Amino acid sequence: KAGVTQTPRYLIKTRGQQVTLSCSPISGHRSVSWYQQTPGQGLQFLFEYFSETQRNKGNFPGRFSGRQFSNSRSEMNVSTLELGDSALYLCASSSPDELAGGDTQYFGPGTRLTVL
Amino acid sequence: AQTVTQSQPEMSVQEAETVTLSCTYDTSESDYYLFWYKQPPSRQMILVIRQEAYKQQNATENRFSVNFQKAAKSFSLKISDSQLGDAAMYFCACNSQGGSEKLVFGKGTKLTVNP
Repeated sequence: KAGVTQTPRYLIKTRGQQVTLSCSPISGHRSVSWYQQTPGQGLQFLFEYFSETQRNKGNFPGRFSGRQFSNSRSEMNVSTLELGDSALYLCASSSPDELAGGDTQYFGPGTRLTVL
Repeated sequence: AQTVTQSQPEMSVQEAETVTLSCTYDTSESDYYLFWYKQPPSRQMILVIRQEAYKQQNATENRFSVNFQKAAKSFSLKISDSQLGDAAMYFCACNSQGGSEKLVFGKGTKLTVNP
């Protein structure tokens, strides 16, 4: 099976712009989670989507949003970019039972976002 | 709230030797899962090992094994016969939210393997 793919791999934006990142999960996986990785804060959970519904959300401002499509592909959007949004954004997919958690998550290579 | 603590920012080991990476966690849930992930310089996060909290037996995967002490909320990773390819950042993570795949990560331990 193909792994988790993320596009684009690298992105440079300026403050105030918005950006959309895309994630294609492993075939058959219905859960997609997003994480932000920075040197200062480490890995922080953004949100999780399961069968097109947001199942959980981290402690990020409303500028960060996401969605999931019927084919399980997911996008995340960051509006009004700030310098502090520069980070590696990781997407992970898994195939959990609907009411359970703890399934192994498989990560994509990430999108490196730089905000100037 | 869940927390995961990795107290060793950096560790080093000689090739072929054994090294243990420490991790402690805190959760009020009785049902949870623990993970070790490896992130080499290529940045791709790779699962090393997974442990279900309800299982008393420690998980093993080839040269990788864990020492899971539930009462102490400790989850250390032992790497035996270290290889140059083991050099990476290692992250301990916990999932304890039923109905969600949310992972809470530690800050990571950078492992250097010396030839």
